[in-house]
Amino acid sequence: DVKVTQSSRYLVKRTGEKVFLECVQDMDHENMFWYRQDPGLGLRLIYFSYDVKMKEKGDIPEGYSVSREKKERFSLILESASTNQTSMYLCASSPGTSTGANVLTFGAGSRLTVL
Amino acid sequence: GIQVEQSPPDLILQEGANSTLRCNFSDSVNNLQWFHQNPWGQLINLFYIPSGTKQNGRLSATTVATERYSLLYISSSQTTDSGVYFCAVGGMYSGGGADGLTFGKGTHLIIQP
Repeated sequence: DVKVTQSSRYLVKRTGEKVFLECVQDMDHENMFWYRQDPGLGLRLIYFSYDVKMKEKGDIPEGYSVSREKKERFSLILESASTNQTSMYLCASSPGTSTGANVLTFGAGSRLTVL
Repeated sequence: GIQVEQSPPDLILQEGANSTLRCNFSDSVNNLQWFHQNPWGQLINLFYIPSGTKQNGRLSATTVATERYSLLYISSSQTTDSGVYFCAVGGMYSGGGADGLTFGKGTHLIIQP
């Protein structure tokens, strides 16, 4: 079974703090994604990555950055957290179209509260 | 980008009932997945179904790509089926989901004992 592990289930941070959300997958997937989920808005794509050191902006990248130094790890960074970044953050990975169906597998989520 | 609409937004049923959830999308797709989000927030992939019909136990799904909709059927509902069901699509011109899927807003299903 593919496993996507997010390092923190719950975090509470203060406005202005730098926040790191870590995500690791163990099935050699090419693609990794960060979404945020808010009530009434569904899931929205923040950033994604096709490969190591590659990153692409999703629909709502403002206020976020990402890092993919190793194939299995994709980090989401909030340089200066703000209260409107309070949300559930979901990491996902998929094998890549070259290996067949691009089925997304999600981690358990990280619920971030910014005070 | 592609628009994804799910209906109904909310559904309350008694245990044992059957239900049909619908997903409409605005453009051609070559990736469509149904997910169930449990009360703890975990999203579980139910079906990868860009076209055709699949069944898995009490759940089945049908996608009619030419008419741009997909249906998720749940038969003999159980309380553990409660949660939010999401449809997510990857467009023909976006690498089939390689650059992320677009999600609908979900159907919130409550199964009462």
